[in-house]
Formats: sequence, C-alpha cells, structure tokens
Amino acid sequence: AQKITQTQPGMFVQEKEAVTLDCTYDTSDPSYGLFWYKQPSSGEMIFLIYQGSYDQQNATEGRYSLNFQKARKSANLVISASQLGDSAMYFCAMREGPGSNDYKLSFGAGTTVTVRA
Amino acid sequence: NAGVTQTPKFRILKIGQSMTLQCTQDMNHNYMYWYRQDPGMGLKLIYYSVGAGITDKGEVPNGYNVSRSTTEDFPLRLELAAPSQTSVYFCASSPGPGSPSFYGYTFGSGTRLTVV
Repeated sequence: AQKITQTQPGMFVQEKEAVTLDCTYDTSDPSYGLFWYKQPSSGEMIFLIYQGSYDQQNATEGRYSLNFQKARKSANLVISASQLGDSAMYFCAMREGPGSNDYKLSFGAGTTVTVRA
Repeated sequence: NAGVTQTPKFRILKIGQSMTLQCTQDMNHNYMYWYRQDPGMGLKLIYYSVGAGITDKGEVPNGYNVSRSTTEDFPLRLELAAPSQTSVYFCASSPGPGSPSFYGYTFGSGTRLTVV
C-alpha cells in the first residue's frame, strides 16, 4: 500500500511567490517522522525539513515551512519567496517507529517545481 | 567529514554482467540503506542493514545482494545485470533510534547505472 502520496507531478511558480506542495501519508504507527527532500537536476538528495508526529508546532527552516495536519494525515511543504534555485524535484518521505525494525524512509513519487523569472 | 561516499558515479554494464556498487560512511551509523530511483519516480528501498552482519530485504530486492561486514561499508552486488536495473542508486545511512540526531539520514551522491 502506498504510504506517501504526492498528487502534483509538476508545478510552476513565479519568482518571489509562495508555493505549496501537497503530501498525504498513511500509517497506523503513533510515532513517525515526516521529511521533505529537494533533488536538483544534479541529482543529490538535500534534506529540507523534518516534522515529528508528536511535535506540537509546525516545523520551519528558513523559507521552508511544513503545514502539519495530523488528523488529515497531511504534511504539506510551503516554500516562501521562491527563487530560481528552488527549481527541483521535491520528495515527501516518512519514517515509522520506534516500533519499526528498519527505520527506513518511504518516499512519495515527487513533485517537480519550476520557478519562472 | 566525507559523510556517505558512493563509487562509481557512473557505469554502463552489458546485459548479464555483474558489478558491485560501493558505499562507505564515516559517521559510525548503524543503519544503512540502498535505494533505487527510476526516472521521474521516488526512491524505493532495495536492502537495508541495522548493523554489521545484519541485512534484510526492502521492497525491490530481486537481482541484488548485499553484505555488511563492517559498520562503515555496505556494498550492493548486481548479479546478471538486466535492462530493468537501469536506475540511479543511492546509499544512505542513519544513526538509528536512541541518537539525538535520529531523524538525520545522510545520502550519498548516487550511482547512475545503465544496462545495455
């Protein structure tokens, strides 16, 4: 069963505007972590932001914020003031645990963001 | 700190050939993972290891083998390469539970493999 769903294959955003990338997840584990990664055209995986299932506040890291709606099992990434360098593929991922044995990351299919000047 | 180092970065294999993708980490992480990423897709787990001498299958293990004789190294072996194994392979490591930086996963830069 798909654990992470990203429904937006691609998005265009104007420079300096904000963009929201959708992510829904499925788990019955009460303890889990949600991650967002950026993959530019060069291919490396860049960690952006993390949200724990018990965290009371939404995570923020600079221009990145995570809109965590636990009851809806939603963990949307908001990029504010988009820059041309934000053009990349973005992946939502989840780790279940500590009941999980492997603590692996399960990834969504990704969303390609293209920032227009 | 080098982090997670993968070699080679690129490789072209002929159908039926074998090769080993190397992965080394210098962070003393117990947990290590091999993922593959097909074009335009997310990462899928091939194999993982929770410590030296312990490995287990992920979602897509067929056609691959791994070993973990040391904490640092986690090589991925492809036997009898097939075109379906054309992909980008990522190695990753994590300290695992109990660590203050438990949420941290470190990825290598990837190996782009083409099977022709």
